[in-house]
Amino acid sequence: EAQVTQNPRYLITVTGKKLTVTCSQNMNHEYMSWYRQDPGLGLRQIYYSMNVEVTDKGDVPEGYKVSRKEKRNFPLILESPSPNQTSLYFCASSRVPQSSNQPQHFGDGTRLSIL
Amino acid sequence: GNSVTQMEGPVTLSEEAFLTINCTYTATGYPSLFWYVQYPGEGLQLLLKATKADDKGSNKGFEATYRKETTSFHLEKGSVQVSDSAVYFCALRDRTQGGSEKLVFGKGTKLTVNP
Repeated sequence: EAQVTQNPRYLITVTGKKLTVTCSQNMNHEYMSWYRQDPGLGLRQIYYSMNVEVTDKGDVPEGYKVSRKEKRNFPLILESPSPNQTSLYFCASSRVPQSSNQPQHFGDGTRLSIL
Repeated sequence: GNSVTQMEGPVTLSEEAFLTINCTYTATGYPSLFWYVQYPGEGLQLLLKATKADDKGSNKGFEATYRKETTSFHLEKGSVQVSDSAVYFCALRDRTQGGSEKLVFGKGTKLTVNP
């Protein structure tokens, strides 16, 4: 089954304690992306990756890091989490070029609470 | 930059009522347009899409027509069901100067359908 898998689904942690949210896709997609969803703001892109070792900032990259060492994995790293990073996070993937009109496939989300 | 504006919710309807969720966009060129749906506790799923002017996307009884003259992509359904209760996101595919692409989302409209 084609899917995007995020872990963990839920996490409550404290300010300053490094955490990583993993994302893995089994569709051999080149493009992967992280979004955060906040009430009244919709989804905003954090980082994206066009292929292995190719990453770039989205609209709200501050406080986050990513890596793309393998095609299937795109972890999101919060080196020193702060309460304003409390949010619902989604990973997505799709084929490239996107002008082929392939839709993005989304994971089920990770709800992070930073105390 | 490119942007999407959709009607604010929440929207509450009775079963079998007619649904319209308005979406307008601002973009250079002719982006592809999408509606995504998010059921409670789940990630986003592509509902329908349109890639050029006058295209009509349709799926599960929902329809939306790409209107270039009014820069709109309104979502409609003739008879909603309780199972349609979800959050609906309008989105456009934006191409960056570097050649990469991303989805730009509206803020989402929560729909509740009562029996």
